[in-house]
This record gives sequence, structure tokens and C-alpha cells, in this order.
Amino acid sequence: DIQMAQSPSSLSASVGDRVTITCRASQSISRYLNWYQQEPGKAPKLLIYAASSVQSGVPSRFSGSGSGTEYTLTITSLQPEDFATYFCQQTYGAPPTFGQGTKVEIK
Amino acid sequence: QVQLQESGPGLVKPSQTLSLTCSVSGVSISGGSYYWSWIRQPAGKGLEWIGRINAGGRTNYNPSLKSRVTISVDTSKNQFSLILSSVTAADTAVYYCAMGGIWGPDAFDIWGQGTKVTVSS
Repeated sequence: DIQMAQSPSSLSASVGDRVTITCRASQSISRYLNWYQQEPGKAPKLLIYAASSVQSGVPSRFSGSGSGTEYTLTITSLQPEDFATYFCQQTYGAPPTFGQGTKVEIK
Repeated sequence: QVQLQESGPGLVKPSQTLSLTCSVSGVSISGGSYYWSWIRQPAGKGLEWIGRINAGGRTNYNPSLKSRVTISVDTSKNQFSLILSSVTAADTAVYYCAMGGIWGPDAFDIWGQGTKVTVSS
């Protein structure tokens, strides 16, 4: 299986901050990388697909980038509703696998 | 508007079989190029893909669970189901059903709300 390592595992930030989350794959995944947001007690929500394409309805403050084995999710100007856990997922190899998550907490 | 809803027992005894159903509304499960997956999440932990089925009934399973998993589809009821045999405490988790296909078979843009399953005697 392709292993996905997210960093950091958690972070504290303030409303208005710029936040960057990194995901590293154990091998090249050719931008087959998705990002999800999960609020407590809820199902994950697809934010970004194919490394940098923003899902319909997702605010423009969310963006994704990367290539090869390294990918980032950036949230510009963090909003109160953005405090959640974020997961990356690779779909290049079978089975699809997820990172362990990054919890974004209020500072 | 596509919606998914999981159902099934919340408590299963060790060594027994876990059975869950996902009811789909807003789209025909047998139409289009959609893929229907099961994913689970132990409390406080990450996400694990269990497997998927497509409209034609073709299945793909996570090798770590393949010997114990069966996913099937009932087009007459617009549902798909998960069977996991010989469960242990390690199978305790929230189980989600999800739809993929618009952005790739495993890009899950629609999820059910999840159902908590506890394995305990």
C-alpha cells in the first residue's frame, strides 16, 4: 500500500491566519491526491480533487498544490467554520489510502 | 440531490457477521459511471477504505480485509450492502458508505452520515 504521511498532526491557529498542511506519499502519486475536511461527528467532505481542483461549493480560500510525492492544502484567512480535521487521500495505487489527519484547532 | 443513508445493527458479537446497508436516493445505483464504497473510521483514528462496487456489480476490496468482506448491490431497492465476517473488537468503528465516480472511482464526493458499529459480547 502507498503510505500517506501528513504534517503536522495538529496545529493551533487564529481566525484570519494562513494555514498550510502537507501530505507526503511513499511513492510518486502523479497528482492523484484528494483532500477532505471532517467536522466532529460528521462525515468527511471532499474539498480538493486531483491535487488542485476545488470541489463545487468549496470556498476559494481553500487551495491545493503539489506533484510527485509532496502535496499541500492551504487555507488563506482561516474562518471559524474551518476548525476541523483534514485528511489527504491518494487514489493512484490500490487500495486508496488516507493520511492520518491534521486537526486544526483554535488558538 | 443525491443522499446516502447507512443502516444496520449497532452491536455485533465477536466472531459473528456484520451486515450494513446503504440506501441511495437521488440517483439510480445502476445508472451512470458511479462507484459505491464502504469506508470505516475507528474512534479518534483515520479512515480505511474497505471496498467498492460499480453499477455492473464489479467489486474491488482492500487486501487487508478481502478474505472477510463481501459488497453487493440490490438495484431493485437502490441499495448496496456490506458483509464483514468473523468480526473482532478491531472492527469497531463508524462505517460510512460513499459515492465516487465524478472525479474518479475513489474521490468520494457524497457520503452517508455514518453508522457506529461496536463489536462486543
